[in-house]
Amino acid sequence: DGGITQSPKYLFRKEGQNVTLSCEQNLNHDAMYWYRQDPGQGLRLIYYSQIVNDFQKGDIAEGYSVSREKKESFPLTVTSAQKNPTAFYLCASSVQRKATDTQYFGPGTRLTVL
Amino acid sequence: DAKTTQPPSMDCAEGRAANLPCNHSTISGNEYVYWYRQIHSQGPQYIIHGLKNNETNEMASLIITEDRKSSTLILPHATLRDTAVYYCIVSFKAAGNKLTFGGGTRVLVKP
Repeated sequence: DGGITQSPKYLFRKEGQNVTLSCEQNLNHDAMYWYRQDPGQGLRLIYYSQIVNDFQKGDIAEGYSVSREKKESFPLTVTSAQKNPTAFYLCASSVQRKATDTQYFGPGTRLTVL
Repeated sequence: DAKTTQPPSMDCAEGRAANLPCNHSTISGNEYVYWYRQIHSQGPQYIIHGLKNNETNEMASLIITEDRKSSTLILPHATLRDTAVYYCIVSFKAAGNKLTFGGGTRVLVKP
């Protein structure tokens, strides 16, 4: 089965704790993305990576960190510096070689900070 | 990336065609129009994209006006499973081809 997996589906953390969200893809895609979605809102880009060992900030990168040590994996760490971490987090990937890079999304992780 | 404007919500009768409009009057010549949809609490699902010509696939048809300032997504025979938020996005291949999602159109298909 090819696709993007995110785990866990639901995650609870205490305020002040860092938490890492997993994103894995076996589509052999070059680029990976992290988005955040708040209730009733569209998606906002946190970070993206076009190639291994390289990544760029998106529109709302403050309070988040990422790594891209392997092509298949793009974990997102929500740090204690993120003021409102409770949200639905979505990971996506795309092939970079085509003129139009359709992004394919994972099922998402719903993070609740208590 | 160009901004898009969509109606916040619309209803559609099951079995009828659903026509979802999108305005993108500031679109540039090399920007594509993408449509995604998001069923409640799931990740967005790619539907279709186009540049100038009308496009059709197994899910939907995309009609782009000649001046490219607006487009319409057509779901030919809406089913209850098509109830979702539909996002119209314009984007070009730059900066990782990041997609800017607005509020979308909440489509409710009624029996």
